[in-house]
Amino acid sequence: DVKVTQSSRYLVKRTGEKVFLECVQDMDHENMFWYRQDPGLGLRLIYFSYDVKMKEKGDIPEGYSVSREKKERFSLILESASTNQTSMYLCASGPGLGLNEQFFGPGTRLTVL
Amino acid sequence: RKEVEQDPGPFNVPEGATVAFNCTYSNSASQSFFWYRQDCRKEPKLLMSVYSSGNEDGRFTAQLNRASQYISLLIRDSKLSDSATYLCVVNPETSYDKVIFGPGTSLSVIP
Repeated sequence: DVKVTQSSRYLVKRTGEKVFLECVQDMDHENMFWYRQDPGLGLRLIYFSYDVKMKEKGDIPEGYSVSREKKERFSLILESASTNQTSMYLCASGPGLGLNEQFFGPGTRLTVL
Repeated sequence: RKEVEQDPGPFNVPEGATVAFNCTYSNSASQSFFWYRQDCRKEPKLLMSVYSSGNEDGRFTAQLNRASQYISLLIRDSKLSDSATYLCVVNPETSYDKVIFGPGTSLSVIP
């Protein structure tokens, strides 16, 4: 089975802190994604990566950055956390090559106080 | 207009009922379509892909209407375990597996 893991299930940070969310997949997938999910807004794509060291902005990249130094790991960074970044963050990976299924991690519930 | 729209529900149906969800998409060039299921406090998981000719998986039937730009999901003989949020997902291009998620439709199956 594909496994996507995220470093934390719950995280509480203070405004202005730098926050790192880590995601690891074990299926050698080419593509990795970071989403945030908010009530009434659904899943919104923050960033995605289709190869090591490659990244593309999604629909809501402002306030976020990402890093993909190894194929299996994709990190989401909040340089200076703000209260409007309180959300559920979901990482996903996909095999690429036109096979569009995405496999999700369990999510990180981030609260910024 | 949002790229992918769904009726948020909630749909409350008795066990054994048949329920149908629709989803509309705005990009006529969209290439592939999916239904995902998300249980409460869990991550989304692929339920089924949607093919042009329509496809069925047990009690679930998915249909695609390209002319009207909508996708449907039909659930027959609803079970309590079908209670979840159903997400319509559209891939507007063939590269990168980048997809757009609809906001989801909530289903509660009641005993």
